[in-house]
Amino acid sequence: EAGVAQSPRYKIIEKRQSVAFWCNPISGHATLYWYQQILGQGPKLLIQFQNNGVVDDSQLPKDRFSAERLKGVDSTLKIQPAKLEDSAVYLCASSLAPDSSYEQYFGPGTRLTVT
Amino acid sequence: KNEVEQSPQNLTAQEGEFITINCSYSVGISALHWLQQHPGGGIVSLFMLSSGKKKHGRLIATINIQEKHSSLHITASHPRDSAVYICAVGGGYGGSQGNLIFGKGTKLSVKP
Repeated sequence: EAGVAQSPRYKIIEKRQSVAFWCNPISGHATLYWYQQILGQGPKLLIQFQNNGVVDDSQLPKDRFSAERLKGVDSTLKIQPAKLEDSAVYLCASSLAPDSSYEQYFGPGTRLTVT
Repeated sequence: KNEVEQSPQNLTAQEGEFITINCSYSVGISALHWLQQHPGGGIVSLFMLSSGKKKHGRLIATINIQEKHSSLHITASHPRDSAVYICAVGGGYGGSQGNLIFGKGTKLSVKP
């Protein structure tokens, strides 16, 4: 079974530039999560999708971050414009259902550096 | 105060030692997860607990729902166990209850 795929693995941009990350979840997983993990911290949820609908985006900085999962499969997360404090690892995860008793499967992450 | 607190933040052990990592939480939960994160970022799920104790190889996880506390134990530690161990809790099904709240992690280094 293929795992969660993410690209790119690394990205370096200057502040005020834009960047996009891509995630392809495990086949059949209806729930998809995007997390931001700042160095030394645990992951913080940015947005949760159930199929192609948004379940929770309460911690997504909507003035600069956007995400979509148009066909209910793969997803993109965009930052525009980037700030220095956006430097972090962006993790995508998927699970069978929006239930915390289900295992979440994580992708390798995208390490973003904003200079 | 964070909703999920882990201790210690950093832990250095000699190969073969018995290791304990603790997790305390302040919210009502239906599930607690222990996760392992190696350098490079990849996160792997180790255990999901709602009560009692689970064992997998040299790893043992326990949870006390009344005390809102969980422990992860590693017996006969090995340098390959060096990683960050993260505790995460969730409230159940649906909406934001289905989300996990993560601790900051415990960085374990096992010396040969």
